[in-house]
Amino acid sequence: GQQVMQIPQYQHVQEGEDFTTYCNSSTTLSNIQWYKQRPGGHPVFLIQLVKSGEVKKQKRLTFQFGEAKKNSSLHITATQTTDVGTYFCAGPASSASKIIFGSGTRLSIRP
Amino acid sequence: GAVVSQHPSRVICKSGTSVKIECRSLDFQATTMFWYRQFPKQSLMLMATSNEGSKATYEQGVEKDKFLINHASLTLSTLTVTSAHPEDSSFYICSAREIAGPVGYTFGSGTRLTVV
Repeated sequence: GQQVMQIPQYQHVQEGEDFTTYCNSSTTLSNIQWYKQRPGGHPVFLIQLVKSGEVKKQKRLTFQFGEAKKNSSLHITATQTTDVGTYFCAGPASSASKIIFGSGTRLSIRP
Repeated sequence: GAVVSQHPSRVICKSGTSVKIECRSLDFQATTMFWYRQFPKQSLMLMATSNEGSKATYEQGVEKDKFLINHASLTLSTLTVTSAHPEDSSFYICSAREIAGPVGYTFGSGTRLTVV
């Protein structure tokens, strides 16, 4: 079945270092969404990418959608302690209105 | 923005009892809501899609008789865990998206269920 994988599973960085998580889908996606879940919290929508090769920025966060629309990445520049959490990508399922979440990348930061 | 209210946030129940979790969309209508289950340090696993006025659509491997879903109005969906067992202990989260609203799904704050 349709799968959305993310790597790495965990990332522990020094505050100020950069961080990147990669998302790969087994199928072509019409769009990809990114969510952030703080420890003990619920997922919060960050952004949606739709176009092949699209790049969007939100302050220190840069999101990319691959040319083949099967992969995506999230890059955080100069991490801060507020960036701690798990980042999930999510893509629409091949059928119905539901979305499939990636396996997530958990980011922890050393102050 | 769109807000989804979920409660209770935490519940402890005895084995064999049933627990009802409510998910409400505030200030918007949701013909479809989604119920997820999340184990510690894992991703969100979709359990079922709740459809207003009709039967829920369950994902493969999810027991529909155990996880009863009711979506009686455009703003409320409920998940009832029947005859709960310790292995049902988990974090349950609902989500919804405002029709013709901003893209992205809005999640409830989740319910931490502990079955003892």
